[in-house]
Amino acid sequence: EVQLVESGGDLVQPGGSLRLSCAASGFTFRSYAMNWVRQGPGKGLEWVSTISGSGESPYYADSVKGRFTISRDNSKNTLYLQMNRLRAEDAAIYFCAKDGEREILNAFDVWGQGTIVTVSS
Amino acid sequence: AIRMTQSPSSLSASTGDRVIITCRASQSIRNYLAWYQQKPGKAPQLRIYDASTLQSGVPSRFRGSGSGTEFNFTISSLQSEDFATYYCQQYYSYPRTFGQGTKVEIK
Repeated sequence: EVQLVESGGDLVQPGGSLRLSCAASGFTFRSYAMNWVRQGPGKGLEWVSTISGSGESPYYADSVKGRFTISRDNSKNTLYLQMNRLRAEDAAIYFCAKDGEREILNAFDVWGQGTIVTVSS
Repeated sequence: AIRMTQSPSSLSASTGDRVIITCRASQSIRNYLAWYQQKPGKAPQLRIYDASTLQSGVPSRFRGSGSGTEFNFTISSLQSEDFATYYCQQYYSYPRTFGQGTKVEIK
């Protein structure tokens, strides 16, 4: 069974840092691009970042560029999101999501259950 | 960035009703459009990709259509388990963008 399990969400002060993890299982992790998507309280979905299967070519939303870094460890089947200089507006549920089967231009076909990030003093 | 606009933002319907949600892209995205269903407290689930392809295991009462800038998502006969929020998303270019969501509620 294909499964994604996020962890690392926590309460952090504005300006602080946090690293989220997403453990993947049930598929050949290195073969798929992976994504982070977030959802603020009572809000819609916002794409955050994408990384290719090889770990190259990351993409970021303008709202997090320069503060967040996406990475992956294919030997551990794990995706990461390093979040620095956190702001109140970064508070959200963070989902990791797997790209579909094509090499490019895919919908997100499997999602984790999410991990909650709270930014507050 | 490509802007995705969904309508309506919410709708009330009864079991058995036909429901249509529209998504408009600010520029052509060819057919690189997905529809997701999200229930409260749960992760989104892919329902339709490439504008009209049903994700494996999704009931045939769900249908997607359109290309370019105008897309529709149809539930032919609404079931109790379909009450949820639905989002469209383009994956034609970065940044990937979602519509604001359509909440389907029980009338």
